[in-house]
Amino acid sequence: GENVEQHPSTLSVQEGDSAVIKCTYSDSASNYFPWYKQELGKRPQLIIDIRSNVGEKKDQRIAVTLNKTAKHFSLHITETQPEDSAVYFCAASPLGGGGADGLTFGKGTHLIIQP
Amino acid sequence: NAGVMQNPRHLVRRRGQEARLRCSPMKGHSHVYWYRQLPEEGLKFMVYLQKENIIDESGMPKERFSAEFPKEGPSILRIQQVVRGDSAAYFCASSPPVWDRVDEQYFGPGTRLTVT
Repeated sequence: GENVEQHPSTLSVQEGDSAVIKCTYSDSASNYFPWYKQELGKRPQLIIDIRSNVGEKKDQRIAVTLNKTAKHFSLHITETQPEDSAVYFCAASPLGGGGADGLTFGKGTHLIIQP
Repeated sequence: NAGVMQNPRHLVRRRGQEARLRCSPMKGHSHVYWYRQLPEEGLKFMVYLQKENIIDESGMPKERFSAEFPKEGPSILRIQQVVRGDSAAYFCASSPPVWDRVDEQYFGPGTRLTVT
């Protein structure tokens, strides 16, 4: 089955700086790669996703890149703000593009924004 | 438009009792997924259901755990004879029946199960 590795487990950056979180996956059949933000005691929130027919996607301060050949994808947050502090999870889905199945999640990155 | 609803939000059970967790998907969503999250860990897929059908239960323990999504009413995750190791947050997610968005999963607030 699919295996998703996520790094780093903890990331501390100064407010205003950029943050990058990286994930690798094992199943070349995976086609859908969402990112979730989870604040303490809250639900995971879908913040951005990318499908395998696209190499990069951007939404305001958040961007995601995908390298299918190397089987890795990354989350980039620019101009970080205190409210960006949370745990971020990457995930991969074996289908996507019209199919659906359970997501395989990374173990999460605790992002700390230092004032 | 109400999001995914789960109840109860907190559930305390003694060892050996049964736990029933409920999930109502977002309006118009027909796909439901259950995940378990242990403290300081990521989410682990358990089961994927559509109305009256279990599509994939590869992540669900073979014993004591069962799930259903009846034609009417919420999806239910049932854990029989709970043990301390079942203590976790259980999240439900739903996705829309739109071919190019069917993989977008939106999560409920979770049920935090504590087994004493």
